[in-house]
Amino acid sequence: DADVTQTPRNRITKTGKRIMLECSQTKGHDRMYWYRQDPGLGLRLIYYSFDVKDINKGEISDGYSVSRQAQAKFSLSLESAIPNQTALYFCATRGVGETQYFGPGTRLLVL
Amino acid sequence: GENVEQHPSTLSVQEGDSAVIKCTYSDSASNYFPWYKQELGKRPQLIIDIRSNVGEKKDQRIAVTLNKTAKHFSLHITETQPEDSAVYFCAAASGGSYIPTFGRGTSLIVHP
Repeated sequence: DADVTQTPRNRITKTGKRIMLECSQTKGHDRMYWYRQDPGLGLRLIYYSFDVKDINKGEISDGYSVSRQAQAKFSLSLESAIPNQTALYFCATRGVGETQYFGPGTRLLVL
Repeated sequence: GENVEQHPSTLSVQEGDSAVIKCTYSDSASNYFPWYKQELGKRPQLIIDIRSNVGEKKDQRIAVTLNKTAKHFSLHITETQPEDSAVYFCAAASGGSYIPTFGRGTSLIVHP
């Protein structure tokens, strides 16, 4: 589904580096989410935004920050990456209905 | 907050058999229960959902049942096929704000 895109798709970084993961959508949805997926732990919510001026913490926001630059763009930053932030990161959007649409994911490895 | 438990974590079946994945939730305010399928290396995609005013919903070979009193819901897949092999996630959410809480996932393996 090209409507929700994430860049980069894969990233290797070193401990202490600052990195940004980007999400863009052409669905025109107001609501955007960032999730982290780890094996055996499911999808855990990091941050979510209901519109450009609205940012909310999820269950695991420590060590992360976000920016909603426009309705279509929602970025996730790791200010100082650490190895336990190695994971698969998904952006998702949601319109008027309940269905969430996920991006293709960004695989992050922190050395 | 909401807590969603999902079982089993792994399910292995023979092609043609049925598969059942069960989830329980803790928040009685939850009223929307989607199921997502994630194939290897792919993104999660919604396969079926159910709202709290409905007890059962079917879509071809898949069905979801909901027991509000017991706070549990289940995914049923009949006549399984190898292409059903994937990780399945259940979730629970309250209407309005819709911040879903996901289960930990079930890895379904369908052997030809």
